Amino acid sequence: QVQLQESGPGLVKPSETLSLTCTVSGGSINSHYWSWVRQPPGKGLEWIGHIYYSGSTFYNPSLKSRVTISVDASKRHFSLRLNSVNAADTAVYFCARLAVVGTFWFDPWGQGTLVTVSS
Amino acid sequence: QSALTQPASVSGSPGQSITISCTGTSSDIGGYNFVSWYQQHPDTAPKLIIYDVTNRPSGASNRFSGSKSGNTASLTISGLQTEDEADYYCSSFTSSTTLGVVFGGGTKLSVL
Repeated sequence: QVQLQESGPGLVKPSETLSLTCTVSGGSINSHYWSWVRQPPGKGLEWIGHIYYSGSTFYNPSLKSRVTISVDASKRHFSLRLNSVNAADTAVYFCARLAVVGTFWFDPWGQGTLVTVSS
Repeated sequence: QSALTQPASVSGSPGQSITISCTGTSSDIGGYNFVSWYQQHPDTAPKLIIYDVTNRPSGASNRFSGSKSGNTASLTISGLQTEDEADYYCSSFTSSTTLGVVFGGGTKLSVL
């Protein structure tokens, strides 16, 4: 079955750019929507954005000015860039597949990766 | 877009049933049958347990059930087991932005 795996630096300095990649295995990246969700330590889930395999993007308005999500179907991965980070961006970042055709839910999820913003 | 409202915590004894509520607006829960629920154990990823208000994915326990009335969705767990102790999050499609998603703040379930 489809499995997702996040990768990227675990420590980012304030004002710099957070970059993460999610690799898709066990299934096709085509014809699906792919999402990023984050969870600050001890807090709830926050939707960041989605990308369709063809490249169309949809972002949380509260993060839209700082977020870019991209996809490389040939490499079976999609990526997140969040610029001008600060301590409030410290979180576990999850990638997930979003089902949307007549339905709406996230499954499966990656295991998550902790990104700490600190100098 | 505002978060959906969930109780911070609920508790129950093994064998009992509990219900977790999730309140939104007509732009999300009340307007669409696209409510999902996720179970999250400590230091693990969320796991889908209910989708489209009432449906259980393959592999989810039949002790989980979902419902909706107006702007409030509910998750019921029957026959509580110790392994049900976890955080539970509701989520909904929202029309406030294109393909928008809103999550609840999460509910900590304690099985005493």
